[in-house]
Amino acid sequence: SQQGEEDPQALSIQEGENATMNCSYKTSINNLQWYRQNSGRGLVHLILIRSNEREKHSGRLRVTLDTSKKSSSLLITASRAADTASYFCATVATSYDKVIFGPGTSLSVIP
Amino acid sequence: GAGVSQSPSNKVTEKGKDVELRCDPISGHTALYWYRQSLGQGLEFLIYFQGNSAPDKSGLPSDRFSAERTGGSVSTLTIQRTQQEDSAVYLCASSLSQGGVGGYTFGSGTRLTVV
Repeated sequence: SQQGEEDPQALSIQEGENATMNCSYKTSINNLQWYRQNSGRGLVHLILIRSNEREKHSGRLRVTLDTSKKSSSLLITASRAADTASYFCATVATSYDKVIFGPGTSLSVIP
Repeated sequence: GAGVSQSPSNKVTEKGKDVELRCDPISGHTALYWYRQSLGQGLEFLIYFQGNSAPDKSGLPSDRFSAERTGGSVSTLTIQRTQQEDSAVYLCASSLSQGGVGGYTFGSGTRLTVV
């Protein structure tokens, strides 16, 4: 069964607004990671949050993790047109086996 | 190299032909993954290599798919008797450790088109 599920599937916002994407998962994890993908090619690692962490920041990115609800959120503040991309969450299970990606959220930032 | 290198970047093949996709991970990365991504879809796990352990092949969709990793470095994904539904972008990723604590580095992918 799929580990990560993002919502919404698609999000369209105006430049300068904040964008929030959510990810839910099903089994115990060691860490959760967020990736960005432009133009359907390689993914770029954005941020990693460990299971014992609740919040992490990196520049305009803020990630939260609620292990009791098995969910995470990615907040992009003051969005820019260049943030337009697909965003994926990926979970690494406590057994350190394969990394599972969710279906992704397609973000469009309108200038 | 500085990143994960995949070749070819694009491959068009006739239905029924075999193809080989190559992934050259970052030197020293022990974990290597192959994923498949169809147009507008998420990433589908195919196979995972970790050090000298037996690979996790649980994601391979059929016995037409196989992969190997020689010397713990370069990996080759082979698709035999290609079908049109095999058309997708095939992505390779590597990580320094099994748990991907430093994040996974992805290659740019191979876009496979079966005609």
